[in-house]
Amino acid sequence: NAGVTQTPKFRILKIGQSMTLQCTQDMNHNYMYWYRQDPGMGLKLIYYSVGAGITDKGEVPNGYNVSRSTTEDFPLRLELAAPSQTSVYFCASSTSFGGQGADVSTEAFFGQGTRLTVV
Amino acid sequence: KQEVTQIPAALSVPEGENLVLNCSFTDSAIYNLQWFRQDPGKGLTSLLLIQSSQREQTSGRLNASLDKSSGRSTLYIAASQPGDSATYLCAVRRDTGRRALTFGSGTRLQVQP
Repeated sequence: NAGVTQTPKFRILKIGQSMTLQCTQDMNHNYMYWYRQDPGMGLKLIYYSVGAGITDKGEVPNGYNVSRSTTEDFPLRLELAAPSQTSVYFCASSTSFGGQGADVSTEAFFGQGTRLTVV
Repeated sequence: KQEVTQIPAALSVPEGENLVLNCSFTDSAIYNLQWFRQDPGKGLTSLLLIQSSQREQTSGRLNASLDKSSGRSTLYIAASQPGDSATYLCAVRRDTGRRALTFGSGTRLQVQP
């Protein structure tokens, strides 16, 4: 019953360093997402993917990159970390949508988050 | 652009009270709406999901309603308990295009024993 697993749970980066946040899911979901949550705020979409090999930008993609080589994994890469990237990062997954007229539940499942501080 | 608003931002109630959390959204072309609970420093736990074709969903002491045409949803918590203290987030999924969830900023609930 792993669901969505994120690593690491905590990380401190220096300005200009790079890192990869890992996300893996074992529910065979096609849709995967990366969100960031700043204190007292809701979640903002960074990138998302509708299947292996397909990714697209969300609301706040600058400073980040993603790849999706397998259904299970969706890593988020931070290049040249900046203090503005201090946040909590959440990965999520959900099933695909049904065809026209289908009413498929697309309940989203979230990982436990990665708390990142850039100093 | 979809905007999701949650009112109130914070709420403190004595144990045992019934309470209502509100969520409004600007674009009624949604596929579904999901309510989450978030404990401090933790991830999101899904509470209820309402498809756009449904009017309400119930789970235990929780009941969520959806009025798609007016862009509103409410989360009703019956007989609140201190263990209900958490932040409650509402999120909507678009019917077309980018189908990621758009979140409100949440309602921080404190239930006093």
